[in-house]
Amino acid sequence: DGGITQSPKYLFRKEGQNVTLSCEQNLNHDAMYWYRQDPGQGLRLIYYSQIVNDFQKGDIAEGYSVSREKKESFPLTVTSAQKNPTAFYLCASLPLGGVTGNEQFFGPGTRLTVL
Amino acid sequence: AQSVTQLDSHVSVSEGTPVLLRCNYSSSYSPSLFWYVQHPNKGLQLLLKYTSAATLVKGINGFEAEFKKSETSFHLTKPSAHMSDAAEYFCVVSGESGGGADGLTFGKGTHLIIQP
Repeated sequence: DGGITQSPKYLFRKEGQNVTLSCEQNLNHDAMYWYRQDPGQGLRLIYYSQIVNDFQKGDIAEGYSVSREKKESFPLTVTSAQKNPTAFYLCASLPLGGVTGNEQFFGPGTRLTVL
Repeated sequence: AQSVTQLDSHVSVSEGTPVLLRCNYSSSYSPSLFWYVQHPNKGLQLLLKYTSAATLVKGINGFEAEFKKSETSFHLTKPSAHMSDAAEYFCVVSGESGGGADGLTFGKGTHLIIQP
C-alpha cells in the first residue's frame, strides 16, 4: 500500500542530544514537508523540499536541520539548539504539477519528549 | 501572507444534531482551502478541499463546506453528528502557489465533542 511512514512513533531524548526523525514515502511525490504540532497551536511548518538535494526553511526552522538525498526520504534532525523540542512532529508529501490545489498527505506522526 | 482563524476552539453537540465549525481566512490571492481531521495521536486526513471550482464542496463522511469570498469564510457543516466525528478539525489555506507546494497555513484547530 502507498503511504507515508514515520518512525519511531514515540521518541525520548535527554537535553543536549540531537535526534533524527525518519519520514519515508512510497507515493512518488515530489515535495515533502515537516510540521510541528503543539497543543492549541495548530501545525507550523519547519522545513520543506520540492526536489532532491534542495530544501527551504519554513516558519520555525531554527534548531532543526533536514536533508533530501533521495526522493522517498526526508529526515528531520532536532538539534540541541532547539529550546523547546517536546512536540508532535508530522511529515507530509505532495505531488507537484497537475491540478492546482493538490492536498498534502500526512504520516502518522512522531511524538518527541525531552526528559 | 495568508492566515486562518478558527472561531471556536471547542464545539460540543449532541449526537444526531447539526455540526458547524467556523473558519475565516485572509489572503492576498485566490487560495485553495482545505479541512483536515485529526483523531487523537494520529496524522491528518483530508475531509474536503476548495480549489476555485464549485463554492459548495462536499467531502467524506457527510461533511461539506461553502466558500464565501465576500465573507472570507469557509465554514464546515454536517447535518447529523455521529460519535465517530469526535476529533480535532483544522481549516487550512494554501500558499501563494495555489496548491500546498510552498507549505500550508493551519488554523489552531477546533475540538469537536459529541454528546451521547
